[in-house]
Amino acid sequence: GDSVTQMEGPVTLSEEAFLTINCTYTATGYPSLFWYVQYPGEGLQLLLKATKADDKGSNKGFEATYRKETTSFHLEKGSVQVSDSAVYFCALSDGGSTLGRLYFGRGTQLTVWP
Amino acid sequence: DTAVSQTPKYLVTQMGNDKSIKCEQNLGHDTMYWYKQDSKKFLKIMFSYNNKELIINETVPNRFSPKSPDKAHLNLHINSLELGDSAVYFCATAEGANYGYTFGSGTRLTVV
Repeated sequence: GDSVTQMEGPVTLSEEAFLTINCTYTATGYPSLFWYVQYPGEGLQLLLKATKADDKGSNKGFEATYRKETTSFHLEKGSVQVSDSAVYFCALSDGGSTLGRLYFGRGTQLTVWP
Repeated sequence: DTAVSQTPKYLVTQMGNDKSIKCEQNLGHDTMYWYKQDSKKFLKIMFSYNNKELIINETVPNRFSPKSPDKAHLNLHINSLELGDSAVYFCATAEGANYGYTFGSGTRLTVV
């Protein structure tokens, strides 16, 4: 079945460091891919998405490229800030078969120190 | 005006009690979900409704019963609460396959 695997955390970085959080997926069809962010005590917010191969999603300095050949959707940011400290979830949607159900990775905790 | 609102935000109750969590959305989306997030942040889907019809029912104990009185509401009733039910419960809505979800802010349930 469809699934998402993302790197385990926690990830701890200094401010202005480069961030990569790896995400790979398994899907039978042509999924859409998403990154969500959860700040402490809050719900999940959509950070970025890509709906087809080679698309790049971007938002707030974060980027991820949909790579069909490597079944990956790694999240990157060139210079992290303390305010980026949160849990990040990679997810895929299997298309129309279950009306847009999302399959989530286990989440990666990011802590950024000043 | 909150797009997906859940009440209550916090719920502390004793084992064996029955409780409900309410979810309302004003986005006009047809599909609504309940997810459970455990202490390690793992998200597990519980139920999904599309236009008041149940379409996903994962292996959830039958003490959990969702109810959708209309397209804008999906409530979760839990009977005979157990310690292991302690978690954060999220309601979410979906516009369609390529749009992702809009989440509520969650209900932290603590069973003592």
